Amino acid sequence: GESVGLHLPTLSVQEGDNSIINCAYSNSASDYFIWYKQESGKGPQFIIDIRSNMDKRQGQRVTVLLNKTVKHLSLQIAATQPGDSAVYFCAETGVRGSQGNLIFGKGTKLSVKP
Amino acid sequence: DAGVIQSPRHEVTEMGQEVTLRCKPISGHDYLFWYRQTMMRGLELLIYFNNNVPIDDSGMPEDRFSAKMPNASFSTLKIQPSEPRDSAVYFCASSMVRGEKLFFGSGTQLSVL
Repeated sequence: GESVGLHLPTLSVQEGDNSIINCAYSNSASDYFIWYKQESGKGPQFIIDIRSNMDKRQGQRVTVLLNKTVKHLSLQIAATQPGDSAVYFCAETGVRGSQGNLIFGKGTKLSVKP
Repeated sequence: DAGVIQSPRHEVTEMGQEVTLRCKPISGHDYLFWYRQTMMRGLELLIYFNNNVPIDDSGMPEDRFSAKMPNASFSTLKIQPSEPRDSAVYFCASSMVRGEKLFFGSGTQLSVL
């Protein structure tokens, strides 16, 4: 889920298991959400996005779920692989002083054990 | 397309020196963003441009920071004079639509000693 302090929340999973990374957002007016993956030493890489008129969207081995009632977003990774180890960020398009730019969460670190 | 290209990848400089970071966005993207990433604050938006025009620089921390976009294929972020607290990874990103699907460069790791 989202971190509030200095330390990133960490999710540790066994290779081959499914991973679920959670994200809470606070702006009910946000209508676009996106997940990024950032590997060590690299820039954030787009994974999947979803608009608020959808509840679920699937990609290759990834699924994003959006629950607008509780303002919750999740990223599911099927059959997690060592290459999935990274920090995952959710972002939303909100209007909290950003005038429609993406607002990024603090990230969740996914560690995959072989 | 080669994606967003940033240079240099690493920059080590001494306090008080001028630092210039460079970015080439993806061709056809009308929006360009400069972000700073630290462990303390995560990804912070510094400034963004639309069609080469700076739109919002409210994230620029101080007057020591300035950014330009002289044409659609090039932008710079300058810090003068640099300070140790400016040490961070600076990312450039571009997009076709504001607020959606940003493509990030590999970043510049800046260390100010």
